[in-house]
Amino acid sequence: AQSVSQHNHHVILSEAASLELGCNYSYGGTVNLFWYVQYPGQHLQLLLKYFSGDPLVKGIKGFEAEFIKSKFSFNLRKPSVQWSDTAEYFCAVLTGTASKLTFGTGTRLQVTL
Amino acid sequence: DTGVSQDPRHKITKRGQNVTFRCDPISEHNRLYWYRQTLGQGPEFLTYFQNEAQLEKSRLLSDRFSAERPKGSFSTLEIQRTEQGDSAMYLCASSYPERGSSYNEQFFGPGTRLTVL
Repeated sequence: AQSVSQHNHHVILSEAASLELGCNYSYGGTVNLFWYVQYPGQHLQLLLKYFSGDPLVKGIKGFEAEFIKSKFSFNLRKPSVQWSDTAEYFCAVLTGTASKLTFGTGTRLQVTL
Repeated sequence: DTGVSQDPRHKITKRGQNVTFRCDPISEHNRLYWYRQTLGQGPEFLTYFQNEAQLEKSRLLSDRFSAERPKGSFSTLEIQRTEQGDSAMYLCASSYPERGSSYNEQFFGPGTRLTVL
């Protein structure tokens, strides 16, 4: 079965700092990868997705992620975080014919002023 | 609001009681998913419907759990004889497959938080 690992459970950054959240997946074949964000009190929302093509994908709110097949990684980055980026971030991989999502355990990002 | 809605948002029940949650997907979305999220974990897949047909169930879905989607619109998730281990956030998501693509973005509802005392 596919699995997703997020090694950073809780990250605290000051505003304007750069962000990189790690995500590793287990499957060796074709993968479809996602980053979701959950702001406090809100629904899970899609930040960005990778299906094929350019391994550097850009999402909403200045986020980007790089798919590195040789490292089984799909790390999320943002050059300069804002206080409003405080949220929980989940990496996920699409699996099976049902297109169900397998999520990592999430990373709680806290941005301080 | 035309997003996915779930009812109730919170449910507190005593161990052994039955509970039922409802999910209303985005109109015309033919796929509907249920996930469960416990503290400190990401959402875990429970089951999936395409229209009214339940096509896949996770091993997490014990015999005490049943889900339905009559008429292919809203869905209900029932838990019988609740246990403390059932305490979690139950999330619903819906999607509509893009033509020519196996991918379908899943839109999530706000979830129902269940607490079993």
